[in-house]
Amino acid sequence: DIQMTQSPSSLSASVGDRVTITCRASQGISNWLAWYQQKPEKAPKSLIYATSSLQSGVPSRFSGSGSGTDFTLTISSLQPEDFATYYCQQYNSYPRTFGGGTKVEIK
Amino acid sequence: QVQLVQSGAEVKKPGASVKVSCKASGYSFTNYGITWVRQVPGQGLEWMGWISASYGHTIYAQNLQDRLTLTTDTSTSTAYMELRSLRSDDTAVYYCARDRGTSVDSWGRGTLVTVSS
Repeated sequence: DIQMTQSPSSLSASVGDRVTITCRASQGISNWLAWYQQKPEKAPKSLIYATSSLQSGVPSRFSGSGSGTDFTLTISSLQPEDFATYYCQQYNSYPRTFGGGTKVEIK
Repeated sequence: QVQLVQSGAEVKKPGASVKVSCKASGYSFTNYGITWVRQVPGQGLEWMGWISASYGHTIYAQNLQDRLTLTTDTSTSTAYMELRSLRSDDTAVYYCARDRGTSVDSWGRGTLVTVSS
């Protein structure tokens, strides 16, 4: 199975900050990476697929990059509604493993 | 708009089975797959399996494949997840999601399954 490692596991940031979350795959996954946002007691929301393509309706302050084994999710200017936990997931092979999550908290 | 409506919360005893439904609307059901993901309270997301809504082809997580069955009913655009021989560590929120092959793009609201004696 491909292991997905996210860092950091949590971070504190202020509104307006630029935030970067990293995701590393234990083996190459080409660009088959997705990102999800989850708020407490809510279902996950899909943000990005194929490393850098935004799902419909996702604000442009979210962006993704990377290839192979190393990927990043960037929020260019953190907004109050962005405080949540973010997960990466590889779509290169089964099982479609998730990273452990990164909790973005208010500083 | 795409909607995935899941069945309500369940409380089961250890050793029992649970079957969660996920009714899809707002799109052509057989053009996508359905992925199931679970989340133990306070923990991360765990991929459980995938089913092709059109052909019924399935792929299961290895740690669940002996106890998990995914099915679909194309006449009602509904997907089902059945988990057998429930244990306390199966207590979790179970999500269905529409899978388009490059990611999931729409999620159900989740179904809490509590396993307790």
